[in-house]
Amino acid sequence: NAGVTQTPKFQVLKTGQSMTLQCAQDMNHEYMSWYRQDPGMGLRLIHYSVGAGITDQGEVPNGYNVSRSTTEDFPLRLLSAAPSQTSVYFCASTGGSTGELFFGEGSRLTVL
Amino acid sequence: GENVEQHPSTLSVQEGDSAVIKCTYSDSASNYFPWYKQELGKRPQLIIDIRSNVGEKKDQRIAVTLNKTAKHFSLHITETQPEDSAVYFCAASRSGTYKYIFGTGTRLKVLA
Repeated sequence: NAGVTQTPKFQVLKTGQSMTLQCAQDMNHEYMSWYRQDPGMGLRLIHYSVGAGITDQGEVPNGYNVSRSTTEDFPLRLLSAAPSQTSVYFCASTGGSTGELFFGEGSRLTVL
Repeated sequence: GENVEQHPSTLSVQEGDSAVIKCTYSDSASNYFPWYKQELGKRPQLIIDIRSNVGEKKDQRIAVTLNKTAKHFSLHITETQPEDSAVYFCAASRSGTYKYIFGTGTRLKVLA
């Protein structure tokens, strides 16, 4: 099992550009989510999904879109990048009765 | 909305001493409280969790306590070692919702 795989690991964008952060899991987990991590702010929930075709907003959803067409994949789209979106992004999944979140390795995004 | 406050933001202890990190949650319906450890440059990983039907849980040098009335829960690390140095996050959620709200993190430094 690869677990939760995120790509890319590093990305630099210019203001106004768009991009997609990819997230895939091979554990057949129902639940997937995206967090951003900023210094002193902890892990803030952007969007989450409780199954294919179902998504919902978290604490800081503005500027981000998600979709869940399959159980395995949960991409995060930045439609028009802003410097405030400079952060480290983590994808996570869970599906067992334990509730443990399994995180990807993270994607460091810099918006100039 | 839901909120989790975590204190302190930084904590320095001498090797062998104990460390205590405290969290307070706002959603009285929360019933699952995990703790994650994040080493520098790594992904967060679950170290211990507790559910609302239990007041205390222990795993070797790590213990978590929960006070539902006060909506407080705490992480206790005894006999700290240099490898305990990391950032620790508490979180709260309602079982089955899979919506986890994290605290802002505590940077623990264990001084040799």
